[in-house]
Amino acid sequence: NAGVTQTPKFQVLKTGQSMTLQCAQDMNHEYMSWYRQDPGMGLRLIHYSVGAGITDQGEVPNGYNVSRSTTEDFPLRLLSAAPSQTSVYFCASSPSGRSDGYTFGSGTRLTVV
Amino acid sequence: AQSVTQLGSHVSVSEGALVLLRCNYSSSVPPYLFWYVQYPNQGLQLLLKYTSAATLVKGINGFEAEFKKSETSFHLTKPSAHMSDAAEYFCAVIRSGGYNKLIFGAGTRLAVHP
Repeated sequence: NAGVTQTPKFQVLKTGQSMTLQCAQDMNHEYMSWYRQDPGMGLRLIHYSVGAGITDQGEVPNGYNVSRSTTEDFPLRLLSAAPSQTSVYFCASSPSGRSDGYTFGSGTRLTVV
Repeated sequence: AQSVTQLGSHVSVSEGALVLLRCNYSSSVPPYLFWYVQYPNQGLQLLLKYTSAATLVKGINGFEAEFKKSETSFHLTKPSAHMSDAAEYFCAVIRSGGYNKLIFGAGTRLAVHP
């Protein structure tokens, strides 16, 4: 049982480049979320999804796009990378998004130079 | 909007001492509450959760937390710290009846010294 799988684990981008962070879960969870983690700020919600075809914005959505074409996958796209997007990104999934809590992937460390 | 406040960004205790990490939430209705732990260069692992079944919740690794509605608090405790408890701890909330967004506090880094 792989749980939540994130790829890549590390990435360096140049300012202005675009890329997609991949997230896949094999637990048939309906709810999926993307967070970024920055020192002293905890984890901040970027985008979330309550099922295939349904996404919405979190606290810090600017500069990021998401889509949810299948239950398993929830990719995060950086359209034009900026140094302010240097962070550690976590994907998480949950069966109901309520009392179950969320299961987290191991993260992607992104550096934008 | 709901929020979570963790008092103290850094806490240092001696091995064998009591661990107390503080968390307060703001919500108009009792939410679902969680404590997660993050070891260096790893993802987040669920320690325990409050879902209204019992106010005192026991988790993994000897941790427990008590939900106090009157104080809007959900503090994390462990009677005796171990060196392996050194990590960052996050309190998080999902508003019951809400749109299922898990919102985190800023985190508390726990150091355990001999």
